[in-house]
This record gives sequence, C-alpha cells and structure tokens, in this order.
Amino acid sequence: EAGVAQSPRYKIIEKRQSVAFWCNPISGHATLYWYQQILGQGPKLLIQFQNNGVVDDSQLPKDRFSAERLKGVDSTLKIQPAKLEDSAVYLCASGGAYNEQFFGPGTRLTVL
Amino acid sequence: KQEVTQIPAALSVPEGENLVLNCSFTDSAIYNLQWFRQDPGKGLTSLLLIQSSQREQTSGRLNASLDKSSGRSTLYIAASQPGDSATYLCALLAPRSGNTPLVFGKGTRLSVIA
Repeated sequence: EAGVAQSPRYKIIEKRQSVAFWCNPISGHATLYWYQQILGQGPKLLIQFQNNGVVDDSQLPKDRFSAERLKGVDSTLKIQPAKLEDSAVYLCASGGAYNEQFFGPGTRLTVL
Repeated sequence: KQEVTQIPAALSVPEGENLVLNCSFTDSAIYNLQWFRQDPGKGLTSLLLIQSSQREQTSGRLNASLDKSSGRSTLYIAASQPGDSATYLCALLAPRSGNTPLVFGKGTRLSVIA
C-alpha cells in the first residue's frame, strides 16, 4: 500500500512570510496527525484529526498556525506569519489499526 | 503529565553486538507503545507496536518488551549491523485526560561501527 505523502520536502522562507504544507494519508485511515520536530527532540503533536474533525489541537499555536482536513482525506498545515523558532521538520502521520501511526517523509522548514 | 525518557541519548557499538535501548514513562495508563526508527533527514519508520495488554513483540532481529507496572520498555537489537545506525524513538498513546495523549521520547542515536 502507498505510504503517507507530504509536500514540499524542503522549504526556506523569511520570517513573517507564510507557508503551507500538504499531507495525503494512507487510504482508508481516518486519523491524521501533524507533528513538529525540532532538531534533537522527539516529535511534538500539533493537531489530530478524526475524519474531518479536530480531536486535539491543544498544542497548536493558534495565533499563527492553522490546519484543515477538508473531506476527511488530505490535510494542509499553514503558518502565518512564520517566526525563526518555527524552523523544524513538520511530520504528518496517519493512524491504522490499533492506533499504529505511519509517518510521511516530513517537510524541513527553515525560517531565515 | 506523561513524560517519556530515553536512555542513553547516544550509543556506539561494534558490528555484531547485541544491544538494548531503554524507554521509561511516568504514567502506566497507556493504550500502546510504539518504537520507531528515524534516519537523518527522513520521517519515522514504525518498527514495533505493543498493545497495553501485551508484554512483547518481535520482528526479525528486533524484540520490544513492555512492563507497565515499572513504566519501562526496552528495544533489543540482536547482531547489530551498520545499517541499524539511526535514531530510535519510543512513543506512547495514553488516555485523553486534558493532556495530549501522544508523547514521544527524544530518542537514542545509535551508531554501529563496522
């Protein structure tokens, strides 16, 4: 089966600019997660969707981050405006049986 | 609040050695524990998933154990190879109780020297 797809793989922007990331989960997976992974740390959950509804966004900086999952399939994560501390890898994962998580390759964001 | 600790942070071993990576957690109320491998610049690859009712899972040269009462999990790698060099992360799925239920450790960076 095809894995989780993410694009772009790399993005370099200047602070205060906007950026958007896209994720396509494994077909049939109802649960979708966005994580932020700062260098040297484990991933931190930003938001969890169940179909097109938000289950948990308690760690999403809502003043600058937004995410949506229209039609319960693809999802986009947006940052507007970006700050230097947003430089990280943004990982998308989808949840299969027994809540096992499958990750995409990630998007490496550099904010200058 | 659930906290996950992985020790050691980094480990270097000669090829062929058996090794153990450790993961400890503070709250034993978990649904499952998952071990991942992460290569530099890449996403996470799922290695093993242990449900809360299970004690261990095996896949090839990998064996993961879970002891909820002591808040510990170990990942055992037999006959290590240079291709095993990567960062290994453990993650817990816990009941939602006001805190995020999905918690990762910081990982153990493994280097297997040929």
